[in-house]
Amino acid sequence: DTGVSQNPRHKITKRGQNVTFRCDPISEHNRLYWYRQTLGQGPEFLTYFQNEAQLEKSRLLSDRFSAERPKGSFSTLEIQRTEQGDSAMYLCASSPLTDRPQHFGDGTRLSIL
Amino acid sequence: AQRVTQPEKLLSVFKGAPVELKCNYSYSGSPELFWYVQYSRQRLQLLLRHISRESIKGFTADLNKGETSFHLKKPFAQEEDSAMYYCALTGQGAQKLVFGQGTRLTINP
Repeated sequence: DTGVSQNPRHKITKRGQNVTFRCDPISEHNRLYWYRQTLGQGPEFLTYFQNEAQLEKSRLLSDRFSAERPKGSFSTLEIQRTEQGDSAMYLCASSPLTDRPQHFGDGTRLSIL
Repeated sequence: AQRVTQPEKLLSVFKGAPVELKCNYSYSGSPELFWYVQYSRQRLQLLLRHISRESIKGFTADLNKGETSFHLKKPFAQEEDSAMYYCALTGQGAQKLVFGQGTRLTINP
């Protein structure tokens, strides 16, 4: 088990472009979470899935953000028309259905030029 | 509202000295509290959770509901303890973690 895997590790793009990140959770983990972390802050919750169902979204998740987990396995997070303020580390975590803590990936660092 | 406060952004102690990282929380109910740690160039990982009442790497944390605190303590700091530490909570029936801003702990030789 290699843990939660996120790709790419680093994404540099121009303002206004669309970007997509991928997260592969630990095998058989039903729950998958996305967080965002900006410099000097702790991670902030964005959204979470239980299997393929998106059960909660933060108000931080504007209309430009969309997340999917179509088959209940990997998940993608897309940001459309990126803005400077989107520059951050995007973290993915997963956990099983039972009362177990979340395991985090290495994150995808997004830099907006 | 759920909130976690870590009042110290930076904490520096000498090797062998006791260390205490402070965490206060705000939650109307019975939260579950965690400490996560991030060592240099590594991913965020769970250090301990209050319901386990374990001691991990010599660290302990006691949930004080009266003071709404969950301070992390270690009697004798080691150089390998240098890392970023985050306190976090999750509420009853909730899944998301609410994190504090983190404390960067540096252990001086």
